[in-house]
Amino acid sequence: EPEVTQTPSHQVTQMGQEVILRCVPISNHLYFYWYRQILGQKVEFLVSFYNNEISEKSEIFDDQFSVERPDGSNFTLKIRSTKLEDSAMYFCASIGVIYAAFFGQGTRLTVV
Amino acid sequence: DAKTTQPPSMDCAEGRAANLPCNHSTISGNEYVYWYRQIHSQGPQYIIHGLKNNETNEMASLIITEDRKSSTLILPHATLRDTAVYYCIVRPFLNDYKLSFGAGTTVTVRA
Repeated sequence: EPEVTQTPSHQVTQMGQEVILRCVPISNHLYFYWYRQILGQKVEFLVSFYNNEISEKSEIFDDQFSVERPDGSNFTLKIRSTKLEDSAMYFCASIGVIYAAFFGQGTRLTVV
Repeated sequence: DAKTTQPPSMDCAEGRAANLPCNHSTISGNEYVYWYRQIHSQGPQYIIHGLKNNETNEMASLIITEDRKSSTLILPHATLRDTAVYYCIVRPFLNDYKLSFGAGTTVTVRA
């Protein structure tokens, strides 16, 4: 069964460093998303991406965040200068024909 | 998007049916009811969705009341692996595919 793949599963980085989280959505899906979940809190929407551009972003998704789909398969989330409060699980999701989102297993980002 | 209300937690005996309620009294005509679950901080998993008819798939059944103000997710034979947080989300079918997660219902299946 096709699935959304995220790498790495766990990333530890120092505050102020740049990180790139990678996702391979399900092929032939057209809509892509990033969500995050701070430990013990709700899953929060960050950004949606369609037709090679951001279609919507939340207040969380400030200038420190960016997304791109460089090669038609990978979908990346970059955090330019990480802060302690960026520590969270980051989930990638893609949507296909039944308009249900399929999520990856997440990347646990720890900023120290 | 319409808001949903779910009980914070519920227990279920293994092998029995688990009935998870959700209230969405402000749902509008173009909004679907989606159910997801999250097992121990893994990525949320899609379960089922519906508009107004009852739906069934290999994982669960979804019963939506005639006035569409509430719904029930039924796990017909709960197993220990069904222990998870279950989210009921209302969302327009077209336009704005993002999901707004609430706190969900923490379901604990007990042997």
